[in-house]
Amino acid sequence: AQKVTQAQTEISVVEKEDVTLDCVYETRDTTYYLFWYKQPPSGELVFLIRRNSFDEQNEISGRYSWNFQKSTSSFNFTITASQVVDSAVYFCALSEGDSNYQLIWGAGTKLIIKP
Amino acid sequence: DTGVSQDPRHKITKRGQNVTFRCDPISEHNRLYWYRQTLGQGPEFLTYFQNEAQLEKSRLLSDRFSAERPKGSFSTLEIQRTEQGDSAMYLCASSTAGQVNTEAFFGQGTRLTVV
Repeated sequence: AQKVTQAQTEISVVEKEDVTLDCVYETRDTTYYLFWYKQPPSGELVFLIRRNSFDEQNEISGRYSWNFQKSTSSFNFTITASQVVDSAVYFCALSEGDSNYQLIWGAGTKLIIKP
Repeated sequence: DTGVSQDPRHKITKRGQNVTFRCDPISEHNRLYWYRQTLGQGPEFLTYFQNEAQLEKSRLLSDRFSAERPKGSFSTLEIQRTEQGDSAMYLCASSTAGQVNTEAFFGQGTRLTVV
């Protein structure tokens, strides 16, 4: 069965620190897609990244970077030099190749960046 | 504004009443999704449309829930005989078809409180 685990319920760091949000997934499919979304206090889920299971290259976008490791079924997200505006709940999600309409979500990690 | 819009943003209703929510997707998106999110949890898939066809419904969607997308554009989600357990954020998302597992863009949600 497919499952996404975000073991960190809440993380609190001081501004400018680096922080890594963990995501571990389970799936039997060889073709699958992994996503990260940000949910600020306003409630709207904001898409951050999508990776497919065949592309294990790490990705960097500004202060954000993602580390995809199939060997450990993990897709971790790092924010470098965190800012107060990064405070939000971050969700990792999975969709499998034959059910591309449905995302399986982790429970989310609440990130608090203190000034 | 070219994002996904949902109306109303907040709804308080008495138990037993019917409620209807509306979602206007991004105009060129032919896929539309409804999710439900309770506090501290990730979204749960409810149903999915491709154009006007409702292709999948979750087992979470009881007979009291019905969704429509009559012209393949906006969608409505109706809950009949609301119960306190229906209190949640109802999220709508849309995406394009053609590419597998394209990212979904979410609206700000409708927060339902059943008293």
